[in-house]
Amino acid sequence: GQQLNQSPQSMFIQEGEDVSMNCTSSSIFNTWLWYKQDPGEGPVLLIALYKAGELTSNGRLTAQFGITRKDSFLNISASIPSDVGIYFCAGQLHAGNMLTFGGGTRLMVKP
Amino acid sequence: EAQVTQNPRYLITVTGKKLTVTCSQNMNHEYMSWYRQDPGLGLRQIYYSMNVEVTDKGDVPEGYKVSRKEKRNFPLILESPSPNQTSLYFCASSFGDPAFSYEQYFGPGTRLTVT
Repeated sequence: GQQLNQSPQSMFIQEGEDVSMNCTSSSIFNTWLWYKQDPGEGPVLLIALYKAGELTSNGRLTAQFGITRKDSFLNISASIPSDVGIYFCAGQLHAGNMLTFGGGTRLMVKP
Repeated sequence: EAQVTQNPRYLITVTGKKLTVTCSQNMNHEYMSWYRQDPGLGLRQIYYSMNVEVTDKGDVPEGYKVSRKEKRNFPLILESPSPNQTSLYFCASSFGDPAFSYEQYFGPGTRLTVT
């Protein structure tokens, strides 16, 4: 199946720092999604991107849909301890299609 | 409250003993799917269903079965579980019509251990 490479695999940062993570794909997607998973919970959608080149913000989070449709990044500004968790990118061709996930970025924030 | 529920949340079983993990959603979603999550591999799709009586294989369907007899339920069946199916399983649902949100809602997960 399709592969999504997500990096970095893990990050350990100081509270207040900005964070950047990205995903690249070997094939195109029409939708890019970013999820966060807290321990013991299922993933929760943070940001959805539907158009190549689109830049979308959700509070301190900003994500972009790459113009080639093969990549996306997520930035978190001024990190806080509750940002701790695993962040997943996911690509989808069409609604109702398979969702292909990246391997996840584990974020740890030191107060 | 809109939600996806899974049962059981935790299960320890032995090799070869058939088991079923249930999934139910109350959002009238057409699309439902099952994922397994393993360290370093992210979430991999096992099976998905576009609507009642319509199911299809995902990336890792071997050793699993599903059924979609009602819109709200999508059980995952392991006929003869093996240790390599020890994993964290998630059910998810969403609207299938692109006129609505693409967002997939995930259940709380089922941690399965096969000894």
